[in-house]
Amino acid sequence: NAGVTQTPKFRVLKTGQSMTLLCAQDMNHEYMYWYRQDPGMGLRLIHYSVGEGTTAKGEVPDGYNVSRLKKQNFLLGLESAAPSQTSVYFCASSPGLVAYNEQFFGPGTRLTVL
Amino acid sequence: DQQVKQNSPSLSVQEGRISILNCDYTNSMFDYFLWYKKYPAEGPTFLISISSIKDKNEDGRFTVFLNKSAKHLSLHIVPSQPGDSAVYFCAAISGTYKYIFGTGTRLKVLA
Repeated sequence: NAGVTQTPKFRVLKTGQSMTLLCAQDMNHEYMYWYRQDPGMGLRLIHYSVGEGTTAKGEVPDGYNVSRLKKQNFLLGLESAAPSQTSVYFCASSPGLVAYNEQFFGPGTRLTVL
Repeated sequence: DQQVKQNSPSLSVQEGRISILNCDYTNSMFDYFLWYKKYPAEGPTFLISISSIKDKNEDGRFTVFLNKSAKHLSLHIVPSQPGDSAVYFCAAISGTYKYIFGTGTRLKVLA
């Protein structure tokens, strides 16, 4: 089992460019999440999904879009990148269905927007 | 408004001694708490959790204490080992599947 994988690991963008971050999990988990981690801010939830075909906004959704077309994949899109989106992005998944599941995290994507 | 706070950004402890990491929260509706450990260039990994109906949960060298009246939880690591050096995040959930994470405490265990 690979667990939760994220592609790419690093990326540098120019302001206004777009990109998509891919998250994949092979644990058949229902719930998936995208977080960003910034110095002194901890992990903040961007968007999440409680099942295939569903998405919902988290704490800091502005400037991001997501899609969950397949159960195992959760995509995070930046349509027009801004320097404020420079961050480390983590994807996570959890079994769902029952509350209080631990979340399993991917290794992260370090994004720099110039 | 930071609902989950870790007021100590860093902590240094001698190997073999106890490490105590603290976490405070403001929302009394939180009913489940977790601790995650994060090494550099890796994602956070689950460490230990506690339900609000308990005041202590133990797993090997790791113990989490919950004081609901003070809205405070702590993670004790005894004895501390150099491999425990990492950033520790506490997290809280309140009946949904969304976690609120603290800002993290960087623990350094000195050999």
